[in-house]
Order: sequence, then structure tokens, then C-alpha cells
Amino acid sequence: AQSVTQLDSQVPVFEEAPVELRCNYSSSVSVYLFWYVQYPNQGLQLLLKYLSGSTLVKGINGFEAEFNKSQTSFHLRKPSVHISDTAEYFCAVSGTAAGNKLTFGGGTRVLVKP
Amino acid sequence: DTGVSQDPRHKITKRGQNVTFRCDPISEHNRLYWYRQTLGQGPEFLTYFQNEAQLEKSRLLSDRFSAERPKGSFSTLEIQRTEQGDSAMYLCASSLSEAPTDTQYFGPGTRLTVL
Repeated sequence: AQSVTQLDSQVPVFEEAPVELRCNYSSSVSVYLFWYVQYPNQGLQLLLKYLSGSTLVKGINGFEAEFNKSQTSFHLRKPSVHISDTAEYFCAVSGTAAGNKLTFGGGTRVLVKP
Repeated sequence: DTGVSQDPRHKITKRGQNVTFRCDPISEHNRLYWYRQTLGQGPEFLTYFQNEAQLEKSRLLSDRFSAERPKGSFSTLEIQRTEQGDSAMYLCASSLSEAPTDTQYFGPGTRLTVL
């Protein structure tokens, strides 16, 4: 079975400051890792994904994430946030053995303050 | 490519009534997934289809829930005898194939409120 833990339910941050959202996963098999963003009253949008290869993954809107197999982590970072980054962020894991269905963490709400 | 669409966007019903939601995936996407998202939680998997075949159902999907995908195109999710605990956002996603590298694209969701 797979599971995802997002350690912070809410992260307040000032505009232009850096932000890091933490994600840890557990799985007995090889996994694929994803970060999705959900803006208010909208569906989920893919930010980035790790499938294989380089452990540093760059996504849209200036976000990046680093896969760390030994620590079973996939933390998301952005060096300088904007007001428009206010949203909820979900880390997810999938795998071939699981039919590629996504298992999500509980989400981290990012509130960017001016 | 118009994206994944869901209808209706909002549904308010009384306990005990039946409701049906529709999802139209991206054209030519073979995989279609249903997820449920309750307030303050991440989405939880309900079921998925490969073309018209329903391949897996979560334990969350009680016998009051049924999903179909006739002809491998749009899908419907029906909830019979709704309960207040069914109040949630129901999300649909589609991907091109069964390859794990294929991105799942999500629709805007149907928000169900059971009074």
C-alpha cells in the first residue's frame, strides 16, 4: 500500500520570500511522484512530476522539487512566491502496481501575504 | 483539447435522493478516474476505467455507488439513497493511456451537498 504525508497543513509566507512544502511517502515498490496545485474553486493542475532520472525536477510557475529516495521525500520549493501562488498544494504518489491511481496527501494550504 | 468537463458543478439534494454526475474526459483519453475530496482533505481514489472496462473499485465505493463508462467515452457516477456523509467534491480525471508516465488531467469537480 502507498501513503503520502504532508507535514504542514498550512504555510503562511510573505510575498517574494521562499517557500518549501514537505512531502514524505511510503511504498513497497517503485513509485512516481507528483505535485498538484488547486486554486480556489478550480480543479487540480499538475505542477511537476518525478518519473525517473534526475532527482531535481523543475515544474511550472517557478516551482521545483527534489526526490530523495533514502529519506522517501519529495519536497516542493519556490525561491520567491507571488500573491497568485496562494492555493492548496497536494503531493501524490502512483505506481504501476497500483493501477496508476493517485494516492494524495492531505494538502498544504499556502497563504501568501503582501 | 477542451479539457475534462464535469456536470453539474454543484448539486444540492435531500438525504435519500439519488444523484448522477457526468464526466467528459479529454478526447481519445483511454483512462478515466473518479476521486472524492472532502473538506480539508486530499482527493481519495474511488474507481477507474480503461476504455469501457471498470478495473478497480475502492472500498470507499459502497453498494450505493455505481459508475459506468459506456462506449469508453463519457462516464457517470450515480449515488443512490444519498447520506449526509456523501457530501464532498467529486473529481474526474483522464489520462491518455495506462502508462504511469501519462499525466492525469482533472476536471473542475462536482460539489455535492446532502441536506
